[in-house]
Amino acid sequence: EDQVTQSPEALRLQEGESSSLNCSYTVSGLRGLFWYRQDPGKGPEFLFTLYSAGEEKEKERLKATLTKKESFLHITAPKPEDSATYLCAVLSWANTGNQFYFGTGTSLTVIP
Amino acid sequence: EAQVTQNPRYLITVTGKKLTVTCSQNMNHEYMSWYRQDPGLGLRQIYYSMNVEVTDKGDVPEGYKVSRKEKRNFPLILESPSPNQTSLYFCASRTSGRAPDTQYFGPGTRLTVL
Repeated sequence: EDQVTQSPEALRLQEGESSSLNCSYTVSGLRGLFWYRQDPGKGPEFLFTLYSAGEEKEKERLKATLTKKESFLHITAPKPEDSATYLCAVLSWANTGNQFYFGTGTSLTVIP
Repeated sequence: EAQVTQNPRYLITVTGKKLTVTCSQNMNHEYMSWYRQDPGLGLRQIYYSMNVEVTDKGDVPEGYKVSRKEKRNFPLILESPSPNQTSLYFCASRTSGRAPDTQYFGPGTRLTVL
């Protein structure tokens, strides 16, 4: 069964303290792995899509990497405005290849 | 501006009273989808649609209906809502090319069924 697990559930960082969020997945053929940011009461906001092991993408202080079993979202020198819940999702080739599976997210708090 | 809109944003109703949540996108996307988000369970896909008149079940379709008569609209119908359908609902859309790129989400509809 396709499954996505994110860790840790919650993370508190001092401003400037770099860290990584983990997304482990089990899918029947990975079509794509997605990272989103979600602020309270709002819809998820797209960050990155990764398609194959070894791929990396960067945006400002965020960098996403992908292996065959997991993805990492690295946050370098975070700022308070980076506080949000970060969601990971996978799109599998199983069935019609159009069903998304989301993790439960990592709630990040960056303290000034 | 590219966007997905949902209405209403907040809804309180009673058990058994049929309701519809509308979703519309202005990006000419083929693929649209509905999710519910519950604490500790994350986002779960209810239904999705690959194009007009093409819909399929996601992970949690029980108690929901959808229709796709126009490309831009994808309403979610609860014919007899129950309290366990109290949740935060999101509509989303994306292109359905070979590379499944960005999926845009709407602002959410918070539904309470009493």
